[in-house]
Amino acid sequence: AQKITQTQPGMFVQEKEAVTLDCTYDTSDPSYGLFWYKQPSSGEMIFLIYQGSYDQQNATEGRYSLNFQKARKSANLVISASQLGDSAMYFCAMIHDFGNEKLTFGTGTRLTIIP
Amino acid sequence: DAGVTQSPTHLIKTRGQQVTLRCSPISGHKSVSWYQQVLGQGLQFIFQYYEKEERGRGNFPDRFSARQFPNYSSELNVNALLLGDSALYLCASSLDSGVGNTIYFGEGSWLTVV
Repeated sequence: AQKITQTQPGMFVQEKEAVTLDCTYDTSDPSYGLFWYKQPSSGEMIFLIYQGSYDQQNATEGRYSLNFQKARKSANLVISASQLGDSAMYFCAMIHDFGNEKLTFGTGTRLTIIP
Repeated sequence: DAGVTQSPTHLIKTRGQQVTLRCSPISGHKSVSWYQQVLGQGLQFIFQYYEKEERGRGNFPDRFSARQFPNYSSELNVNALLLGDSALYLCASSLDSGVGNTIYFGEGSWLTVV
């Protein structure tokens, strides 16, 4: 069965520091994709970054990078130079080529940036 | 360019009533999915539609139904509302379907059932 595990319910980080949010996944399918989304208190889900299982390089999007370790089945999100506006819930999610576009989500990590 | 738009933003319904939530995908996107997020929990997949056909259905009762129109917009209908249906309903769209497609979400519709 496909499963996403986020083991950090909450994190507190000093402003301007880098932060790593953990995500491990479980799948036996060779073709899959991994997403990270940010959800502020307003509720919208903001796309941050995507990594495909066959991608050779780790994905990067501005201050966001994905530390993809396929053998360990981990896809940690790294946010560099954190800002107060980064305070939010962060969700890791996985998609497969099963004929539909169902995303399997983790339980999320609440990140709080301290000034 | 407009992102995924959802309406209404907030609504309050009484138990037993019916509700219709609407979603307009990003222009050119053919795939629309619906998710439910109960307060404090993760997202649960409800439906996916691609090119007006149902591609996937999550573990939800038949009270939940959806459709996609020729312009790729979508509606989610929930009949005989229960208190437990109170949640944030999120719509997502992507250009195509499956691995390799970036999936974008709307701002959601907050449904409260009283």
